[in-house]
Amino acid sequence: GQNIDQPTEMTATEGAIVQINCTYQTSGFNGLFWYQQHAGEAPTFLSYNVLDGLEEKGRFSSFLSRSKGYSYLLLKELQMKDSASYLCAVRASGGYQKVTFGIGTKLQVIP
Amino acid sequence: KAGVTQTPRYLIKTRGQQVTLSCSPISGHRSVSWYQQTPGQGLQFLFEYFSETQRNKGNFPGRFSGRQFSNSRSEMNVSTLELGDSALYLCASSTGAGGGYEQYFGPGTRLTVT
Repeated sequence: GQNIDQPTEMTATEGAIVQINCTYQTSGFNGLFWYQQHAGEAPTFLSYNVLDGLEEKGRFSSFLSRSKGYSYLLLKELQMKDSASYLCAVRASGGYQKVTFGIGTKLQVIP
Repeated sequence: KAGVTQTPRYLIKTRGQQVTLSCSPISGHRSVSWYQQTPGQGLQFLFEYFSETQRNKGNFPGRFSGRQFSNSRSEMNVSTLELGDSALYLCASSTGAGGGYEQYFGPGTRLTVT
């Protein structure tokens, strides 16, 4: 099976940097996703990491260490609109491939 | 390009009834995945269809079933509804199998079972 852990809530200040961690345990790892979900809305894709290292996309960066079963999402220059839940999801193979989501980290950005 | 559409957006049913939800993926996408989202459990994978075949299945009882048509549209059916089935049901489409590519989510169907 798969197990994904991420903090349930975080608070950060507008303009600051925040790092949201995700640890996972899975067999046949095949990639890790980060999604953003605003309250009452559907999740939207942020990043997909397959190989170790950091991938940067504007204010958002995602890091992956497969050997440690660890990823983080880094948000820079926080804006109020970044207040949302951030979902970590793992794709694993093993006969069939499917995506398992973590519970999500609710980020509140304060002035 | 139109996004993923789901119908209906809201639904109220009573225990014991059955319900069918519909999802139309983005044009050209052949993979459709279904998820159940509740406050306590988060997003839980139900099943994934690719080219009319169920490729993946989550840990849900047999009351939950689905299918995919030749135009990639997908339906999900829940029979003998229980109170615990109240949730937001999301579908997501992607180009590849197994959700390994970027998934685009629809707005969801909010199901309330009374």
